[in-house]
Amino acid sequence: NAGVTQTPKFQVLKTGQSMTLQCAQDMNHNSMYWYRQDPGMGLRLIYYSASEGTTDKGEVPNGYNVSRLNKREFSLRLESAAPSQTSVYFCASSGTGGASYNSPLHFGNGTRLTVT
Amino acid sequence: AQKITQTQPGMFVQEKEAVTLDCTYDTSDPSYGLFWYKQPSSGEMIFLIYQGSYDQQNATEGRYSLNFQKARKSANLVISASQLGDSAMYFCAMRETPTGGGNKLTFGTGTQLKVEL
Repeated sequence: NAGVTQTPKFQVLKTGQSMTLQCAQDMNHNSMYWYRQDPGMGLRLIYYSASEGTTDKGEVPNGYNVSRLNKREFSLRLESAAPSQTSVYFCASSGTGGASYNSPLHFGNGTRLTVT
Repeated sequence: AQKITQTQPGMFVQEKEAVTLDCTYDTSDPSYGLFWYKQPSSGEMIFLIYQGSYDQQNATEGRYSLNFQKARKSANLVISASQLGDSAMYFCAMRETPTGGGNKLTFGTGTQLKVEL
C-alpha cells in the first residue's frame, strides 16, 4: 500500500545543474500535483496534471517543467537549478470519478533539495 | 489578496485540553472546499478533515472538528483532548471550483502547535 512515492528523498545540486524528481502513485488517481514548501510560505503549487495527457501551470512554475508520463507517473524537472529553488518538494495525487474534486490530496513524503 | 489566512504562527496547549486553530479564507466562488492537513516533524502531509461550502453540518472526524462559519469566511479546526502526538504544523487549504479539472488546493502558511504536559 505505497500510495504516492517520490524519489529521491534528498538531493544537493550545484547552480546550473539539472535534475528530475520522480513521482508515482498506485491509487488509480487521475490528477497529480507538484508543490514546493518554503519556511513561512506554506505549500505553493508549481504544476499539476488534471488527467493523463494534460499539464498546467500553478502559482510558481518558472524554472520548472513537468511530464505526465502515464496515469501513474508525474515528473518534475529543473533544467538549470538556482539557489532560489532550494526547497522541499511534494508530489500529490487526488481522486477519481464522481465528486472527485472534493477528495483530499494524498502526498508523497517529499524531496529535500538544496542548491548551492 | 491572500486566499487563506492562518494568523497564529505558533500555539501552545496543555495535554487533554481543547485547542482551536484559526483559518479564514477569501473567495467569491459559491462552491468551494476547505481541508486541514497535519505535518509532523517527520515531514509527511496527513489529511485530517474536509468541509464543503454547501455542507449543512460542521465536519467531524474523531477528535477533530471544523467550526465552519460561512458568513465570516472562517473554518477553524478544533482538536479536543490534545495529545502529545498532536504537536505538529497544521495547514488549512481551500479548493475553489475546479477549472480544467483537478483539485488544486491553495494553502495557508500554517500554525505550529505544541502540546505540553
